[in-house]
Amino acid sequence: DGGITQSPKYLFRKEGQNVTLSCEQNLNHDAMYWYRQDPGQGLRLIYYSQIVNDFQKGDIAEGYSVSREKKESFPLTVTSAQKNPTAFYLCASSTGLAEEVSYNEQFFGPGTRLTVL
Amino acid sequence: GQNIDQPTEMTATEGAIVQINCTYQTSGFNGLFWYQQHAGEAPTFLSYNVLDGLEEKGRFSSFLSRSKGYSYLLLKELQMKDSASYLCAVVDSNYQLIWGAGTKLIIKP
Repeated sequence: DGGITQSPKYLFRKEGQNVTLSCEQNLNHDAMYWYRQDPGQGLRLIYYSQIVNDFQKGDIAEGYSVSREKKESFPLTVTSAQKNPTAFYLCASSTGLAEEVSYNEQFFGPGTRLTVL
Repeated sequence: GQNIDQPTEMTATEGAIVQINCTYQTSGFNGLFWYQQHAGEAPTFLSYNVLDGLEEKGRFSSFLSRSKGYSYLLLKELQMKDSASYLCAVVDSNYQLIWGAGTKLIIKP
C-alpha cells in the first residue's frame, strides 16, 4: 500500500535537546512538506521541498532544519533554538507538478506529537 | 497579506444539515480544498473546487464563488462520526496551499 509514514507517533524530549522526526513516503511524490499544528489552530508551514536536494523555508522555519537526500524521505529536526516545540507535527506530500493543472492535493502522514518536558 | 476565515466552532444535530463557510483573500487563486481532521489525526481530503459552482459527493457538497472569494462545505444527514474539524485551504499563485484555522464541528444526538 502506498502512503506516508511518520515515526514515532509520540515523542518526548528534554528541554535543550535536538530531536529528529521521520517522514517517509512511497507515493513517488516529488514535493514534501512539514507542518506544525497547535491546539485549536490550523496548519502552519515549516519547510517544504519540491525536489531532492532542495528545500525552502515556510512561514515558521526558525528553530527547525530539514534535509532531502532521497525522494522518499524528508526528516525534520527540531533544534534547541525552537522556543515552543511542543506541538503536533504533520508531514505531507504531493505530486508537486504545477503543470498538472492546480490539483495539488496533499496526502498526510499520521503525525507525531512532540512534548518537551 | 493572505487570509482565510472560517468560523471557529459550530454545533449541529444528528440527522440535520450544516453549512461551513470559508472566505479568502489570497495572492492568486488556483483552487480550494476542504479537508476533514478528526482530533489527533491527520487531515483527509474531502473536496476540491477550481471553477464556480457546486460539487456534490454523497452527503458532502462544496460550493465556490471566485468573484466573492467564498466557499462553503455542506454536510447533509449528519452523523456522529462527522464530529471533526474542517479545514479550508486555498492554492495561491505559487501553487502553495494557504490553510485556514479550521472549523470544529460538534454533532449532538
